[in-house]
Amino acid sequence: DAGVIQSPRHEVTEMGQEVTLRCKPISGHNSLFWYRQTMMRGLELLIYFNNNVPIDDSGMPEDRFSAKMPNASFSTLKIQPSEPRDSAVYFCASSFYGTNTGELFFGEGSRLTVL
Amino acid sequence: GQNIDQPTEMTATEGAIVQINCTYQTSGFNGLFWYQQHAGEAPTFLSYNVLDGLEEKGRFSSFLSRSKGYSYLLLKELQMKDSASYLCASGGGADGLTFGKGTHLIIQP
Repeated sequence: DAGVIQSPRHEVTEMGQEVTLRCKPISGHNSLFWYRQTMMRGLELLIYFNNNVPIDDSGMPEDRFSAKMPNASFSTLKIQPSEPRDSAVYFCASSFYGTNTGELFFGEGSRLTVL
Repeated sequence: GQNIDQPTEMTATEGAIVQINCTYQTSGFNGLFWYQQHAGEAPTFLSYNVLDGLEEKGRFSSFLSRSKGYSYLLLKELQMKDSASYLCASGGGADGLTFGKGTHLIIQP
């Protein structure tokens, strides 16, 4: 079975440019999460969706960040304009709400470098 | 809110046993999770505790005390491939997980 698929795996861009990260969750999962990981702050939850509806975006650092989930099989995280402090690994994870554990399945991550 | 604390780094010897501790303070509790993350890779699920006590899974065991807000991950018969970061996380259900910053475990020959 295919796991969570993220693209791009690596992106290097210049400050001020728009960045779009993409995620395809595991088929049948109804919850999707965007995390950001840095050495200093660890894994931080940015936003999550249940049944394609954004539930909590309190972790989104500022208005430059936005996320959408137009359907059950696709989500995007957009940064516009990007800044060097946005450099991090961005993980998408999905789960099936209703299981006993609520285990998250992570994609391989998108490593973003903003120069 | 949620606050999760775990040691930043630990060192252990191949073949030995190591215990990684985690303390948590959460406004709601649906379970305590442990994830393993090798450098440059995604976190992968190791264990889940929702009731007090010890859960054993092969060389790995996880313990939970809800009254103390405390958990540990026990790794036995350490192998070099166990060198990784171990992330303690609280939450679960529809609201996702809040992660600690992780414990970087170094295994020495």
